[in-house]
Amino acid sequence: NAGVTQTPKFQVLKTGQSMTLQCAQDMNHEYMSWYRQDPGMGLRLIHYSVGAGITDQGEVPNGYNVSRSTTEDFPLRLLSAAPSQTSVYFCASSPGGETQYFGPGTRLLVL
Amino acid sequence: AQSVTQPDIHITVSEGASLELRCNYSYGATPYLFWYVQSPGQGLQLLLKYFSGDTLVQGIKGFEAEFKRSQSSFNLRKPSVHWSDAAEYFCAVAPRGNDMRFGAGTRLTVKP
Repeated sequence: NAGVTQTPKFQVLKTGQSMTLQCAQDMNHEYMSWYRQDPGMGLRLIHYSVGAGITDQGEVPNGYNVSRSTTEDFPLRLLSAAPSQTSVYFCASSPGGETQYFGPGTRLLVL
Repeated sequence: AQSVTQPDIHITVSEGASLELRCNYSYGATPYLFWYVQSPGQGLQLLLKYFSGDTLVQGIKGFEAEFKRSQSSFNLRKPSVHWSDAAEYFCAVAPRGNDMRFGAGTRLTVKP
């Protein structure tokens, strides 16, 4: 099993550009989540999904969209990037809403 | 307000010394409790978790944590720290299962 994979590993965007951060898991987990990590703030939940076709907002959802068309994939979309979205983004999956398994992260820089 | 607090931003210990990292939470009911470790440039690795039962939980890499309901705490301990334990440690709670909330983290430095 590859576990949780994220692409790209690093991305630079200009303000106003859009992009999609990809996340995939091969563990057949129902739950998937997106977090952002900023210095001194730990990880903050952006959006999460409890199964295909079901998504919900976390602590900091503004500026981000998600969809869950398959169990395996949970992409995170930035429609119009802002410098405040410069961060490290982690995707995670969980078999039952408890222990989460994290991907390696995507570093995003918005200029 | 619901929160997870790690009071120590940075801790330095000597190799071989004991370690305790503090975590307090503020939720109405006892949530699921976790400790994760993050090495520089890496993702998060689960050290241990508490759902119910025995309040002293054993984890990987020689770590343990004790849940104290009366203090709303879930402190992480290790009897003898190794240089490879230098990393950032995150306490996390999951009040409703998937809605996991993290503390701000404690960075551990290990002196030779």
